[in-house]
Amino acid sequence: SQQGEEDPQALSIQEGENATMNCSYKTSINNLQWYRQNSGRGLVHLILIRSNEREKHSGRLRVTLDTSKKSSSLLITASRAADTASYFCATASSVGTYKYIFGTGTRLKVLA
Amino acid sequence: ETGVTQTPRHLVMGMTNKKSLKCEQHLGHNAMYWYKQSAKKPLELMFVYSLEERVENNSVPSRFSPECPNSSHLFLHLHTLQPEDSALYLCASSQERGQGQPQHFGDGTRLSIL
Repeated sequence: SQQGEEDPQALSIQEGENATMNCSYKTSINNLQWYRQNSGRGLVHLILIRSNEREKHSGRLRVTLDTSKKSSSLLITASRAADTASYFCATASSVGTYKYIFGTGTRLKVLA
Repeated sequence: ETGVTQTPRHLVMGMTNKKSLKCEQHLGHNAMYWYKQSAKKPLELMFVYSLEERVENNSVPSRFSPECPNSSHLFLHLHTLQPEDSALYLCASSQERGQGQPQHFGDGTRLSIL
């Protein structure tokens, strides 16, 4: 299985601090996406990083990808209470299928 | 984001009932998806439609029956469900079915089976 696994499962930080979440996967990928899910809502796409990219930024988000270690990290800088949500990585295989496999997510709580 | 709308938001049904979940996307996308989200489990892909044609059935029991009458609408017909089918059912769409396509999700239908 190429299922992404996020680490840690839960994270609690103070507002203004940085939050780092990690995703590990098992097989070669074409690209990796990060999504956010607020309680009771659907998933929202945050950022996509391709297998030939090492780092990508979007606002306060920074994503890295290390294909040799089969891992990715999502860094949220200067966190806000509104960043409280679950964060998921989704991987797309480099072979054949277009399907994205989602992990179980990291639950982030930002305390005001 | 209101690009993908799901109704109803909550549904409680008995095991012998028949009900349908509805999804509508206003984004002009060609691919639509049904996912099941259960507590402490990864998101499970159930069905994929591309241009109204079913291209993926991820070993889903026949008590779940999808329908895609056009590229904007997707239904999930439910019949004789089991308690373990209680979950959040999410609909998503993407521009195309291919790689590198961000998916846009609705807010889901919370299904409870009595």
